[in-house]
Amino acid sequence: KQEVTQIPAALSVPEGENLVLNCSFTDSAIYNLQWFRQDPGKGLTSLLLIQSSQREQTSGRLNASLDKSSGRSTLYIAASQPGDSATYLCAVYGQNFVFGPGTRLSVLP
Amino acid sequence: GAVVSQHPSRVICKSGTSVKIECRSLDFQATTMFWYRQFPKQSLMLMATSNEGSKATYEQGVEKDKFLINHASLTLSTLTVTSAHPEDSSFYICSAGGGYHEKLFFGSGTQLSVL
Repeated sequence: KQEVTQIPAALSVPEGENLVLNCSFTDSAIYNLQWFRQDPGKGLTSLLLIQSSQREQTSGRLNASLDKSSGRSTLYIAASQPGDSATYLCAVYGQNFVFGPGTRLSVLP
Repeated sequence: GAVVSQHPSRVICKSGTSVKIECRSLDFQATTMFWYRQFPKQSLMLMATSNEGSKATYEQGVEKDKFLINHASLTLSTLTVTSAHPEDSSFYICSAGGGYHEKLFFGSGTQLSVL
C-alpha cells in the first residue's frame, strides 16, 4: 500500500528566503507525481506535474524534482513571498492517487 | 488551463436530509472524475472514482449507498450524501483529469455542515 509523507509538517520563514519542501513515497511504481497548493477552505491548485520518466519540472519560482528510485520529491520555492503562504500537498499516481498530509507554509512579511 | 466547477461551495443542512454536490468540467471532457473528502487538518482521502456511463468505484470503507455518485455525461458528475448526519460534515472536493499523462484539476470544494 502506497504511503506518502511530507516534511516538515509546518514551516515559517521570512519573506525572500529560498525553501525546500520534501515528499516521500514508499512504492516507486508510480506514473507521475504532482504538487498542489491549498488555500484555507478552498480547493487545490495544481503547481507542477512530473512524469515518472522526468527528473524535474520548473514553473516560475517553483522547481520540483523527482527521484523515483529513492521515493523522494522536493519542491523548491525561490525568493518566497507572503502570497506563497498555503498548504502544499504532493500526490503520487500509481494504482490510484495518494496524497501526502501537506506542509503548512507561512511566509512572513 | 482546464477549469472544474463545483457547487455549492457551502451547504448547511439538517440531519436526515440529502445533499447533492455537482462537479462540472467546463472546457474539457472528463471520462473520469474523482471525489475526495477532507477533515480538518487531515489529508485528502479519495472516496470514489466516477466513470462516465458506468458505476462508480468506491474506496474501502466508503458506503456506496450513502454516497451516491452519478456520472451521466462527460462533463458532469454528482455526489449525493443521503440521510446526512453530523459525522458527514466535511470538505468535499471533486477533480477531473489525471491518469497516466494528465494533470488533475480540482473543483473549489464544498463545505458540508450537518446540524
